[in-house]
Amino acid sequence: NAGVTQTPKFRILKIGQSMTLQCTQDMNHNYMYWYRQDPGMGLKLIYYSVGAGITDKGEVPNGYNVSRSTTEDFPLRLELAAPSQTSVYFCASRTTTGNSPLHFGNGTRLTVT
Amino acid sequence: AQTVTQSQPEMSVQEAETVTLSCTYDTSENNYYLFWYKQPPSRQMILVIRQEAYKQQNATENRFSVNFQKAAKSFSLKISDSQLGDTAMYFCAFMKLYRRGGAQKLVFGQGTRLTINP
Repeated sequence: NAGVTQTPKFRILKIGQSMTLQCTQDMNHNYMYWYRQDPGMGLKLIYYSVGAGITDKGEVPNGYNVSRSTTEDFPLRLELAAPSQTSVYFCASRTTTGNSPLHFGNGTRLTVT
Repeated sequence: AQTVTQSQPEMSVQEAETVTLSCTYDTSENNYYLFWYKQPPSRQMILVIRQEAYKQQNATENRFSVNFQKAAKSFSLKISDSQLGDTAMYFCAFMKLYRRGGAQKLVFGQGTRLTINP
């Protein structure tokens, strides 16, 4: 199993540009999540999904959109990049079993200038 | 809403020493899970240990153990015989236990940067 795969690993955007962060998992997990980690800080939840076709906002959803057309994929879209979106983005997945932990991707470091 | 607080932004110990990282949380829930994650310089998030709130016995994983005090809402991580490879950011996380079909989200603390010195 590859686990959770995120692409790209690094990206630099100009203010106002758009991009999609890709996330795919091969563990057949129903739950998927997007977190952002600002420098020296913990992780904050952007969006999450409990299954294909179902998504919901987390703690910091403004400026982002998601879709979940398949169980495997959960892309995160930034429409109009702003410097405040400079961060490291983590995708994660887990099973529906009670205490199952999050399986994380290796993160995408995004810089908006 | 649940909150998780890690009051030690940074800690530093010598190799082979024992170190304890603190974590407190705020919740009105009775059933939940707690986790410690490690993030080394590689940026990868690695599960260290987990604890179910309904279990009184503290979880242990080799050199890692927790002191779970439910009434005090405290969940500290003890690392024994610390090694250079333990150098990392450590995050405490809380997850509410939902009934079947509910979404389960982890709430993270701000992290503690632990350095193990040779």
